[in-house]
Parts: sequence; structure tokens; C-alpha cells
Amino acid sequence: AQKVTQAQTEISVVEKEDVTLDCVYETRDTTYYLFWYKQPPSGELVFLIRRNSFDEQNEISGRYSWNFQKSTSSFNFTITASQVVDSAVYFCALTMEYGNKLVFGAGTILRVKS
Amino acid sequence: NAGVTQTPKFRILKIGQSMTLQCAQDMNHNYMYWYRQDPGMGLKLIYYSVGAGITDKGEVPNGYNVSRSTTEDFPLRLELAAPSQTSVYFCASSFRWEGQYFGPGTRLTVT
Repeated sequence: AQKVTQAQTEISVVEKEDVTLDCVYETRDTTYYLFWYKQPPSGELVFLIRRNSFDEQNEISGRYSWNFQKSTSSFNFTITASQVVDSAVYFCALTMEYGNKLVFGAGTILRVKS
Repeated sequence: NAGVTQTPKFRILKIGQSMTLQCAQDMNHNYMYWYRQDPGMGLKLIYYSVGAGITDKGEVPNGYNVSRSTTEDFPLRLELAAPSQTSVYFCASSFRWEGQYFGPGTRLTVT
């Protein structure tokens, strides 16, 4: 069975601090895809990134970066110099190669205070 | 492109009533999904479809029904609404597994 664990229920930081959101996954498949989604207070779900299991390169997009490590089954998300607008719930998710379903973690609430 | 649209945005139902949540996408995606999100929780898959005429159960299908007569539309039917179905419902679509695009959600309260 597939499972995604986001152990951090809630994180509070002060603006301009760096923050890392942890994601640990479980799967027996060799081909799979990992995702991060952002859910701001307005409620919509915003796709941030997809990473496939064969690509372990880290990704950087502006203030966002992702660290994928198959050895520890982790796909962590770092926000550098956090801003108040980063306040949201962040979900990590997993699907298999021919999977039709995203398995979501429980989410991490990030609060960035000014 | 409008992406994934959902109607209504909000709805209050009485116990035992029925309703249909509408979902449409204009991206020609084969895959469509219905999720529910309970307060403070992640999303759980209710039903999904890999193409017109094909649907399958997800993790929490009880109390719901779906149909997929066209590529664009994927309505979710609630029969005999119960308080346990109070939730936010998200529809999503994808080409395959590259990433799902979500609608804005429908907030449903059953009292």
C-alpha cells in the first residue's frame, strides 16, 4: 500500500526565516510520482511540483526548493526567506506509474508571521 | 481555458436530501477525480474515472455515486445526505499522472 506521512502538523516562522516541510512516503513500486500542492486560506489547491522516481535531482524555483532522496523515501520542501503570502497548508502526494489516484499526506499548516 | 469548474460553491442540505455536485473540465483530460476534504485533514478519493463510461471507487465511496457520459463532465451524486458528508468536495482532472488540476471546491453542510 502507498502512504504519505507529513509529521509536522503545524509550523510557525517569522518572515524571512527559511523553513523546511518534511514528507516521507511508502511504496513498493519502482516507478512513482511525488507532488507538492499548496492550499492557501482561500481554499483552492495549487500544484507546485511533480517529481518522478527516476529523477533525484534537486529542484529550485525561486524561493522554493525540493530535495528528493530515495534512500530515505523523502521529498522535502524548503521555502527560503519566507513571506506572509506563503502561509498555507502544504500537501505532499504520491501516485504510481499507472496509478489513477493521488495519495495525500495530512498536510502541514505553515504560518508565517510578519 | 476555464480549467476545472465546480458548481455550486456552497450548499446546505437537510439530512436525507439528495443533490448533485457538478464538475466540468475543458482541458480534454481523460482522468477525473472526486475528493473530499474534512476539516484539518488531507484529501480522500471518493471516485475516479479514466475516461467516458468508466468509473471506479476510491477510498471513501459509500453514500456517493458518479457517472461519466462525456469527457468533460463528471458529476457526483449524494443520495440520502448524512451529517458525515459535511465536507469540502474537490473535483480534479489530469491527462495521466503528470499532475492533477483541481477545481475551486464545493463546501457542503448537512444538518
